[in-house]
Amino acid sequence: DTGVSQDPRHKITKRGQNVTFRCDPISEHNRLYWYRQTLGQGPEFLTYFQNEAQLEKSRLLSDRFSAERPKGSFSTLEIQRTEQGDSAMYLCASSRAVGGESDEQYFGPGTRLTVT
Amino acid sequence: LAKTTQPISMDSYEGQEVNITCSHNNIATNDYITWYQQFPSQGPRFIIQGYKTKVTNEVASLFIPADRKSSTLSLPRVSLSDTAVYYCLGTGTYKYIFGTGTRLKVLA
Repeated sequence: DTGVSQDPRHKITKRGQNVTFRCDPISEHNRLYWYRQTLGQGPEFLTYFQNEAQLEKSRLLSDRFSAERPKGSFSTLEIQRTEQGDSAMYLCASSRAVGGESDEQYFGPGTRLTVT
Repeated sequence: LAKTTQPISMDSYEGQEVNITCSHNNIATNDYITWYQQFPSQGPRFIIQGYKTKVTNEVASLFIPADRKSSTLSLPRVSLSDTAVYYCLGTGTYKYIFGTGTRLKVLA
């Protein structure tokens, strides 16, 4: 399977704990995105990498959130000192940059985080 | 602030053609219009993308008028399995803003 994969699929944690999610993009894709989605809402952009460089980060992303893509392949999203408001589906997407602004994103299945 | 506007929900019957319109008055010159489909507990799935005029693939058609201030996703002969949320967004400046989408419910 050459789709985007995410691990874990589900995570339950207690408030105040740190969690880390992993995303493996489609192998030839150089762009990688993280989104957060809560019930009834569309995906909310968190951050974006082109290769290993983090090019954009949402203003909504607090300092408790950090993302890395060290070798331009897989990426990790860490949330420190989790809060109940962090409970959401965390989606990863990847795309292959081409000329112009066309950008078809392929999404993974998501990691559902529940903070108790 | 969302850069696109869509109806919140639509109902249709199996076998009908469904048209979902999206307004994007502030679309940038370089932006493409992209539509995604999302089923519950899954990530969005790319449906179709266009810049202007008409684009058709095996799943849908996309109509974009000359002024590019709106676009219409057309789903021919929908089935129950097309029940999902549909999002339009501009790729480029506003590529990250999904909005709340249009919840399409297909009835038997």
